[in-house]
Amino acid sequence: DAGVIQSPRHEVTEMGQEVTLRCKPISGHNSLFWYRQTMMRGLELLIYFNNNVPIDDSGMPEDRFSAKMPNASFSTLKIQPSEPRDSAVYFCASSLAATRGLGVNTEAFFGQGTRLTVV
Amino acid sequence: GNSVTQMEGPVTLSEEAFLTINCTYTATGYPSLFWYVQYPGEGLQLLLKATKADDKGSNKGFEATYRKETTSFHLEKGSVQVSDSAVYFCALRSGGYNKLIFGAGTRLAVHP
Repeated sequence: DAGVIQSPRHEVTEMGQEVTLRCKPISGHNSLFWYRQTMMRGLELLIYFNNNVPIDDSGMPEDRFSAKMPNASFSTLKIQPSEPRDSAVYFCASSLAATRGLGVNTEAFFGQGTRLTVV
Repeated sequence: GNSVTQMEGPVTLSEEAFLTINCTYTATGYPSLFWYVQYPGEGLQLLLKATKADDKGSNKGFEATYRKETTSFHLEKGSVQVSDSAVYFCALRSGGYNKLIFGAGTRLAVHP
């Protein structure tokens, strides 16, 4: 398997533009995470899907951010409109999701990230 | 709620020195614990993990023991190399929906 694939690797956009980040999880994985990494805040969990359903989106900073997972092999994170403070590296990760109560020992595998710069 | 606390960095060591990076956690139930490593310009990679109390995870000379009595999972290595320079993240996974939570990360710089 090629691992978690994110695109694009780098994105530079102007303030106010819409940005869409894409993620292809590892085949067979049923949990997907979106994280944002900055020097100031470290690694923040934005949203978490289980079996394509958003379970926890409490980390999504505001309404300008939205995430979808239309099927098990694809997810998007959209920012509209983008702002300079959204500049960060965005990571997608996937894992197997343990059935409730039956263990949580499955590690997450990360993509290479998308470095977003909003000017 | 669940949380992970790591020692602040940066940690600067000479080659072959002993490394300890402290990690403590707060969680309900019985979490699994992980250490991830991030090299410059890359994503996070799993370094080691432990799934129950007293388990020891190990990989590439790194070790960490799951201590439930002290809610800790400290990372150790007996002799660091320049190539170990990276950011190290402690993480836990727990709860009904298995949310994966990371500490703030500790930057390690190893000099020849």
